[in-house]
Amino acid sequence: GAVVSQHPSRVICKSGTSVKIECRSLDFQATTMFWYRQFPKQSLMLMATSNEGSKATYEQGVEKDKFLINHASLTLSTLTVTSAHPEDSSFYICSARDFGPGGYTFGSGTRLTVV
Amino acid sequence: GENVEQHPSTLSVQEGDSAVIKCTYSDSASNYFPWYKQELGKGPQLIIDIRSNVGEKKDQRIAVTLNKTAKHFSLHITETQPEDSAVYFCAASEGFQKLVFGTGTRLLVSP
Repeated sequence: GAVVSQHPSRVICKSGTSVKIECRSLDFQATTMFWYRQFPKQSLMLMATSNEGSKATYEQGVEKDKFLINHASLTLSTLTVTSAHPEDSSFYICSARDFGPGGYTFGSGTRLTVV
Repeated sequence: GENVEQHPSTLSVQEGDSAVIKCTYSDSASNYFPWYKQELGKGPQLIIDIRSNVGEKKDQRIAVTLNKTAKHFSLHITETQPEDSAVYFCAASEGFQKLVFGTGTRLLVSP
């Protein structure tokens, strides 16, 4: 079945630095990918929809200059958290639309801790 | 936009019992309703899904029912096992656009 690989699984960074998270579709081409943020014991909140070759569509309240999304190829989307602060610490999850029976395939998530 | 409500937030059952989780959605245009299981520190895993042209779908111990008129859909797990313990999320989307998730149900199956 469809597989989405997300890296890194865990990252710790200092306040003020930037962190890049990669999301790759391994065995299919993903024209659309989604980025979610999940706080402890809460649901997944969609941050943005990433379309290959075009600008991402951000959900209301998500700072596009802080959470940079690039979807330059049909198999790779990246999320860069710029000038990270402790409040950006969260679990970030990507998903790709695979057009298979399941429709969406999720990555394994990235635990970001900003110190 | 779509809004998905999910109940209960926590559910404790004894091994072998059945578990039922219910969701309601607001947008009548939604036509795809998946259920995901999420274990601690991992991404969601699809366990079953249903489309709006079907009223019920079953896969071994897991079943999903959909009432389009009432905008309700439910997850049924029979013969629960300790390994079923996890957080379960329902979701809804229209035409494979963005998924909107419910608030989650923490299921605990005690041996």
